[in-house]
Amino acid sequence: AQSVTQLDSQVPVFEEAPVELRCNYSSSVSVYLFWYVQYPNQGLQLLLKYLSGSTLVKGINGFEAEFNKSQTSFHLRKPSVHISDTAEYFCAVGSNNNDMRFGAGTRLTVKP
Amino acid sequence: DSGVTQTPKHLITATGQRVTLRCSPRSGDLSVYWYQQSLDQGLQFLIQYYNGEERAKGNILERFSAQQFPDLHSELNLSSLELGDSALYFCASSSQTGMGTDTQYFGPGTRLTVL
Repeated sequence: AQSVTQLDSQVPVFEEAPVELRCNYSSSVSVYLFWYVQYPNQGLQLLLKYLSGSTLVKGINGFEAEFNKSQTSFHLRKPSVHISDTAEYFCAVGSNNNDMRFGAGTRLTVKP
Repeated sequence: DSGVTQTPKHLITATGQRVTLRCSPRSGDLSVYWYQQSLDQGLQFLIQYYNGEERAKGNILERFSAQQFPDLHSELNLSSLELGDSALYFCASSSQTGMGTDTQYFGPGTRLTVL
């Protein structure tokens, strides 16, 4: 079975600064990778996903992530964050075995 | 708005009781997933239904059960409730069967408090 580790539980950052949220996975089969965002008092919403093809994936709200097979990572990045990006971010890994595992989440706090 | 609806929004009950959570998927989606989110356990997958049939099972307790009806709405039944069952319960839906590849659309959740 696959697993996913989000390396930072909390990331504080100032507005307009760049941010990287780290995600590592382990799996013995081909994986599919996702980043979801959860705004306060809401359900999760897909930011982006990697299924195949280009390893650089662009998502909504200016976020992007890069699939690195050799480092088994799928880090999420944004060059300039806004106050409205304050939320919980979840990395998830899926497989053809119809399995999906979510990471513990990273709380991004953007300060003015 | 994801198009997934969940009722009720909040539920407060006592230990030993039974509750039913309801979910209506996005129009056209055949898969429904149930998740439990708590501070200590994080987001845990419980169960998936596809077009009325159970498709995948996660960390679902025997006291919990679910079903998907012909109109594709789903219900999660939680019985003999314990304090530790207090959590946010999410329903999600997708158009296909593949939980590992499909984009899931999440509802706003039902917050269950067991006293």
